[in-house]
Parts: sequence; structure tokens; C-alpha cells
Amino acid sequence: DTEVTQTPKHLVMGMTNKKSLKCEQHMGHRAMYWYKQKAKKPPELMFVYSYEKLSINESVPSRFSPECPNSSLLNLHLHALQPEDSALYLCASSQDRDIYEQYFGPGTRLTVT
Amino acid sequence: GESVGLHLPTLSVQEGDNSIINCAYSNSASDYFIWYKQESGKGPQFIIDIRSNMDKRQGQRVTVLLNKTVKHLSLQIAATQPGDSAVYFCAEIEGYSTLTFGKGTMLLVSP
Repeated sequence: DTEVTQTPKHLVMGMTNKKSLKCEQHMGHRAMYWYKQKAKKPPELMFVYSYEKLSINESVPSRFSPECPNSSLLNLHLHALQPEDSALYLCASSQDRDIYEQYFGPGTRLTVT
Repeated sequence: GESVGLHLPTLSVQEGDNSIINCAYSNSASDYFIWYKQESGKGPQFIIDIRSNMDKRQGQRVTVLLNKTVKHLSLQIAATQPGDSAVYFCAEIEGYSTLTFGKGTMLLVSP
């Protein structure tokens, strides 16, 4: 199984809502990543988890809160988002932080109204 | 031919042609490079990688060339097919830091 799954596929939320994005992989990978991608732009790294611990936070606003409940799951909790946060949110995983080949999920298309 | 759109450079080719997608990277200390393919509605998919101690690497129908002198990376796709239509990103990494993606090029293959 070389798949990273993400749910939901699409999400529309208001600026006062609280929602969560979920990511799952069963490849035994120990590094997991959240990226944000705006239309026609490259993915931008948000967070890196290594062995279930947050190792990189790329100065992401606190309205985005990551969580890694176990080695297979990665969540991104969203609260009080702004319309400019509308984007494709991609999850990725790699065998280890030092192994650079990252497997990406299909993303969650988020619209903030 | 190649054109620069409002946001994303686009390369248009005919089916069966060879395609060359170029990437200028920024960090002369980068020691590992990856090409990703992103189809519409999907996440990026790993295509091929190359380390900085190499100047060429071949995969199935794809070849990556690295010119460190001018900090240039290229992806060659042989006998391009409609299924190759996608956005292609190069990505670079230095040491144990994180991937930095380039701007991307849209490849359009017409039958």
C-alpha cells in the first residue's frame, strides 16, 4: 500500500467554524508533512512531524493546529480561518525525515467563506 | 512551443514528441533534486530524483539532467503521451532541510 489518503476531499467553512482535516498512511513512514498549495503555485511547507513529534513549523498562524495522534495519522485543526486561507491542503509522508522521497495525498480543497 | 502565462509557464507539444522541461534552482548548496508531476485534482507524484554528484539519471521514458555550474535542472520526457499532461515541479533540498519547490511548468500534450 503506497497510498496517502486525505479526508474530506472538499470542505467549505465559515470564518467562525472549527473543522479538521485528516491524513492517513499505512506505509510505516515516520515523517509526515502538511503543505498548502494555492492555484497555479507550488506547494508550501507548513509543518513537519518526525516520529510523531512536531519538528518544523514554518511560521504558520495559530489558527492552524497540527496533531499527530499516532504514526499513521496526521490531523490539521482549523479555527477562525480567513478567506485567504482557501487553498488545497496536501499531506505527505516519507520513510524518514532524511529520506526525501515524499508520497503525497490527493489533498483537501478548502474554501473559507 | 513554450510560453509564459499569467502565473505558470506552459509547454505545448504534440503526442509522440520529446518534451524538455527546465528548472532554474536557487541554492548552490542544494545536494538533492526531485521532479514531481501533479495532475489536475491530485497531489504531486514523484517522478525521478538526482543527487548533486551526478549530472544525468534515466528512468522509464524520463531523463533528468543537472548542470550545477549554471544551477539548472531539466526533465526530458521521451515520446510524450496525453497522459503526461500535468504541472511539473522541480524541488531542491540541502542537507537535512526541507524540500523547496520551484514555480512549476504546465505541460500540454495534444493528440
